[in-house]
Amino acid sequence: GAGVSQSPSNKVTEKGKDVELRCDPISGHTALYWYRQSLGQGLEFLIYFQGNSAPDKSGLPSDRFSAERTGGSVSTLTIQRTQQEDSAVYLCASSSGASYNEQFFGPGTRLTVL
Amino acid sequence: AQKITQTQPGMFVQEKEAVTLDCTYDTSDPSYGLFWYKQPSSGEMIFLIYQGSYDQQNATEGRYSLNFQKARKSANLVISASQLGDSAMYFCAMREIIKTGANSKLTFGKGITLSVRP
Repeated sequence: GAGVSQSPSNKVTEKGKDVELRCDPISGHTALYWYRQSLGQGLEFLIYFQGNSAPDKSGLPSDRFSAERTGGSVSTLTIQRTQQEDSAVYLCASSSGASYNEQFFGPGTRLTVL
Repeated sequence: AQKITQTQPGMFVQEKEAVTLDCTYDTSDPSYGLFWYKQPSSGEMIFLIYQGSYDQQNATEGRYSLNFQKARKSANLVISASQLGDSAMYFCAMREIIKTGANSKLTFGKGITLSVRP
């Protein structure tokens, strides 16, 4: 079956512009996560959606970052007034069932802020 | 708070030999899961192996095994019979296990670069 998909694969934007990154999780997966990976670094948790529960936003670095998940499926991560330090690969993952299930990652969106 | 430490510099191994990638962790949670992911140069994150904190035996998945030493809070990945395709970044990660069944975020280490020499 289809895996996690993300779009766009690459995004170049100018400082100060807003960007939207999209994630389509695996069908039926109730949990969806956003992570950020800066060059040569590990993954940094941003936000987590679980079913209809309130999202865990504890990893969002500033109020310029927000995310939505519509209908329990597709998610959009929005970064307003982008800064150069926002340049990174943004990875989405989804999982289902019990808490020990692996997270399936998408290919990521590489964001470059000029 | 959970913390994962991967301090090895770039690792090199000869093809067909075994290699151990180190991972230590810190958590106050009684129940947790430990994961290893592989990230090749293409950027995808590939799940390799999982170890639960209450599992009695070390996890194994094909050529991958996890040397879990709970008292020392270490979860080292052992790759046997290295292949050229094993060259990649390897990340150790941890998740709190919530009894309600809800998922929770992964906390990642900074990763280790493994290069397999022919």
